[in-house]
Amino acid sequence: GQQVMQIPQYQHVQEGEDFTTYCNSSTTLSNIQWYKQRPGGHPVFLIQLVKSGEVKKQKRLTFQFGEAKKNSSLHITATQTTDVGTYFCAGGGYGGSQGNLIFGKGTKLSVKP
Amino acid sequence: NAGVMQNPRHLVRRRGQEARLRCSPMKGHSHVYWYRQLPEEGLKFMVYLQKENIIDESGMPKERFSAEFPKEGPSILRIQQVVRGDSAAYFCASSPPRQIYNEQFFGPGTRLTVL
Repeated sequence: GQQVMQIPQYQHVQEGEDFTTYCNSSTTLSNIQWYKQRPGGHPVFLIQLVKSGEVKKQKRLTFQFGEAKKNSSLHITATQTTDVGTYFCAGGGYGGSQGNLIFGKGTKLSVKP
Repeated sequence: NAGVMQNPRHLVRRRGQEARLRCSPMKGHSHVYWYRQLPEEGLKFMVYLQKENIIDESGMPKERFSAEFPKEGPSILRIQQVVRGDSAAYFCASSPPRQIYNEQFFGPGTRLTVL
């Protein structure tokens, strides 16, 4: 079945450093979504990418969707302590599996002040 | 507009008991998804429901687990004869009527502990 792999599993950075997490799917995705989960909290939607090669920015966050629609990345510039949390990518399939998302295991980001 | 509501937030059960987890989607949302999350793990899809219909239950264990989303009332995830391995956080998410590739809005989760 469809699998979504995410690396790294953990990332520790100094405040002000950049951070990137990568997501790879075993199959072509209809769309990819990114979520953030704070410690003890629930996932919160960040963004959705649909088009091949799409790039979207939200302030210090840059999201990319690969040309083949099988991989994606999230890059945070100049991390802040408020960026702490686990970042999940979630891939959507086609046809009957459009409705549900397959989540990666997440990248847990810690930021040292 | 209230967000997705789940109750209870914490549930303790002894082995062999039943656990019932409730999810009220956001107003206007007709699609509900259930996920399970183990500590330090990602979210594992369990089931996708619309009102009175199970659309995809490919992630649901074949035994002891069931889900429903009745015409009236919340969606229910039921776990019968719970075992210690069922201890996890269970998140419900909802999305509006099918447009295309909807984002999902998550509830606060139910933390189930099986003693």
